[in-house]
Amino acid sequence: AQSVTQLGSHVSVSEGALVLLRCNYSSSVPPYLFWYVQYPNQGLQLLLKYTTGATLVKGINGFEAEFKKSETSFHLTKPSAHMSDAAEYFCAVSDYGNNRLAFGKGNQVVVIP
Amino acid sequence: GAVVSQHPSWVICKSGTSVKIECRSLDFQATTMFWYRQFPKQSLMLMATSNEGSKATYEQGVEKDKFLINHASLTLSTLTVTSAHPEDSSFYICSARDQKGETQYFGPGTRLLVL
Repeated sequence: AQSVTQLGSHVSVSEGALVLLRCNYSSSVPPYLFWYVQYPNQGLQLLLKYTTGATLVKGINGFEAEFKKSETSFHLTKPSAHMSDAAEYFCAVSDYGNNRLAFGKGNQVVVIP
Repeated sequence: GAVVSQHPSWVICKSGTSVKIECRSLDFQATTMFWYRQFPKQSLMLMATSNEGSKATYEQGVEKDKFLINHASLTLSTLTVTSAHPEDSSFYICSARDQKGETQYFGPGTRLLVL
């Protein structure tokens, strides 16, 4: 069964500073990896995904993530945090054909002016 | 593209009544939809997988008679919470899998409060 580990439930970052959210996964088959963002009282919005091909994936709102098979990681980064980036971020993994998503516990990002 | 809607966004009901939540894929067809439940400040918990034209597959520990799922068309799945009790109060989110079978797109969620 797949699983995802996201450490640090709350992440504080200064406006303009680097945003780094760590995600490690376990999967017995080649994984599909996702980052979703959730704003208060809303559903999840897809930020970016890795299925196959290029391991550096660019998403919306200036976010990107790199799939590193050797490290079983899919860390999310953004060079410069904006106040609007304050939200909950979830990393998720699935395998092709199953598509049942396993979510991490999430990171609550707080942006400090 | 890939927009999923849910209705209603908010519902308050009395204990013992039933509540139906709709999930629609607006611009794509979805043979598979998923229903999740999210408690405050927690991650999403998969409740069931809904397949068009067939019975839903429920996760372990989810009561199929309490949470009735119907997926009657390629763009609509419904979740009915039967005989709701206060402990059923939660945020319910649906998702629809795209036609490539790679990505789930999520609805905005429905907050249920049972008094």
